[in-house]
Amino acid sequence: RKEVEQDPGPFNVPEGATVAFNCTYSNSASQSFFWYRQDCRKEPKLLMSVYSSGNEDGRFTAQLNRASQYISLLIRDSKLSDSATYLCVVNMGSGYSTLTFGKGTMLLVSP
Amino acid sequence: EAEVAQSPRYKITEKSQAVAFWCDPISGHATLYWYRQILGQGPELLVQFQDESVVDDSQLPKDRFSAERLKGVDSTLKIQPAELGDSAMYLCASSHEVEGQFFGPGTRLTVL
Repeated sequence: RKEVEQDPGPFNVPEGATVAFNCTYSNSASQSFFWYRQDCRKEPKLLMSVYSSGNEDGRFTAQLNRASQYISLLIRDSKLSDSATYLCVVNMGSGYSTLTFGKGTMLLVSP
Repeated sequence: EAEVAQSPRYKITEKSQAVAFWCDPISGHATLYWYRQILGQGPELLVQFQDESVVDDSQLPKDRFSAERLKGVDSTLKIQPAELGDSAMYLCASSHEVEGQFFGPGTRLTVL
């Protein structure tokens, strides 16, 4: 089983739609979780951390389900500029920040 | 806003040649990472430094790759000799303790 698994997509949605991505992780001892966004041929950029209580930042909502070992990202009112690859990232280490990246889910928002 | 600097941004080389990439992390970030990202994949960790010490280099192909961070600030990743399969984006990232990592713009390597 892969350590961090994501549906590669692409998810094709119209502007204004709501879209959700899930990600599963294998290590139950994982301690912290993130969503990164990566535009084509650019570096990954931190989108948001994922907390146990869930967190929201504008149109973006992240949730963590430790019992089922998955995290989710919900994007409301999709914009054209949301088109990118969304990387699920899990810190499976202790002490130092050792991140394991999923392969990413591609989102394409069309007019 | 502080950023991770990398150079060069692009590198084209012939197989069997040596290449080197440089990274300057965000000031004050003790942890520095080198990743390799192949198109369509997520970044894969090559080596992780805490200050000047290597914390994890288990995925670094040590027969041809080397990395150093002599003064615990900037870092160099070297490949010698380069092979066709080394063509990829090489990303440097830095972090402070256990917060998320911040990436540099990467070096896109093409081996001919």
